[in-house]
Amino acid sequence: SQTIHQWPATLVQPVGSPLSLECTVEGTSNPNLYWYRQAAGRGLQLLFYSVGIGQISSEVPQNLSASRPQDRQFILSSKKLLLSDSGFYLCAWSHLTGLMNTEAFFGQGTRLTVV
Amino acid sequence: ILNVEQSPQSLHVQEGDSTNFTCSFPSSNFYALHWYRWETAKSPEALFVMTLNGDEKKKGRISATLNTKEGYSYLYIKGSQPEDSATYLCALRIVPDSNYQLIWGAGTKLIIKP
Repeated sequence: SQTIHQWPATLVQPVGSPLSLECTVEGTSNPNLYWYRQAAGRGLQLLFYSVGIGQISSEVPQNLSASRPQDRQFILSSKKLLLSDSGFYLCAWSHLTGLMNTEAFFGQGTRLTVV
Repeated sequence: ILNVEQSPQSLHVQEGDSTNFTCSFPSSNFYALHWYRWETAKSPEALFVMTLNGDEKKKGRISATLNTKEGYSYLYIKGSQPEDSATYLCALRIVPDSNYQLIWGAGTKLIIKP
């Protein structure tokens, strides 16, 4: 069966410090991978998605970047965190297909607080 | 900009009562409507994927309906139980060439009072 691991679960970082959140998927190959953020009182906002190694698409211009060094590894990074980067970050994967019933499977999330 | 609206934002329901809430979306470019349940400290989990106008899906005490012409979906919970407490998210999938694209509502937070 497929599993998705995301870490760390919580993180408190000072403004201006770097960020690295990691997500790995097991039990499937060639997944679509996604990074979402939920800001307080809002829905899930798609930040980045990837359809393959080294292929990253950004949905929202921001202080963050993403990389996919391996097929089942997705990393969210920042060189210098801003206060506005605080939020709940979710990694997700789905099958690489446009089928209408393709659901997303989520990691446990990372609560990031920038102080 | 496509917008998916969910109402109410939060809801307190007595255990045993039935309840429902709404997801509204633009009907143009509709491809599919997803419902997810997100329990505290857990990952969001898929409940339903709905594609056809008039669709009705059911899983135990939870059911959902879809009206693509007027752009809304209802989620119903019959005989609420404490374990139903969660945030319920809906997400719109637009035309298939955007297979990565789920546009999410802000969620309805459901709290079941014992």
